[in-house]
Amino acid sequence: QKEVEQNSGPLSVPEGAIASLNCTYSDRGSQSFFWYRQYSGKSPELIMFIYSNGDKEDGRFTAQLNKASQYVSLLIRDSQPSDSATYLCAVRADSWGKLQFGAGTQVVVTP
Amino acid sequence: SQTIHQWPATLVQPVGSPLSLECTVEGTSNPNLYWYRQAAGRGLQLLFYSVGIGQISSEVPQNLSASRPQDRQFILSSKKLLLSDSGFYLCAWSGQGANEQFFGPGTRLTVL
Repeated sequence: QKEVEQNSGPLSVPEGAIASLNCTYSDRGSQSFFWYRQYSGKSPELIMFIYSNGDKEDGRFTAQLNKASQYVSLLIRDSQPSDSATYLCAVRADSWGKLQFGAGTQVVVTP
Repeated sequence: SQTIHQWPATLVQPVGSPLSLECTVEGTSNPNLYWYRQAAGRGLQLLFYSVGIGQISSEVPQNLSASRPQDRQFILSSKKLLLSDSGFYLCAWSGQGANEQFFGPGTRLTVL
């Protein structure tokens, strides 16, 4: 059974600090990795994707991938109250494009 | 630009009643389409996916079915709803050969 694991949180982060979210996956053959943000009552929104080992930066977000250790992380710099949401990690499971989602990490940014 | 629509936005249905949820995508051709369900406080569960008109693959056995009558239309149905069918139903699309999936606004279904 392919699995994607995330700490459910909540992760409490002071405003302006760095939020660090982790995700591990079981399928060593996984090639594509995604982070979605989901506000309460809303649908998930794609914020980052990464395919290669290393770091990928987009604004205040940095995704980090380590395929050897089978983990992917998301850093949110200068956290803002508007970053308070649940962050879903997703892994592409096969050639049809199916994604396997983790249960999500709730982030709460406190002023 | 591409847009994905779902309706209705919310739905309250009695147990045993039928269901039809619709999803349409604009601004792209031949997308891959997906139906997910998110139960309260839980992750997303893939229900169905489709790579073309009339082509449906089911991920989990259940009393739901899906159809794709047109290239950019995806329908989720049930003949008789169960209490356990309550949840947030999300339609998503991706381009052929692309990795990223984009979600519609969702339908919140409550079965009483």
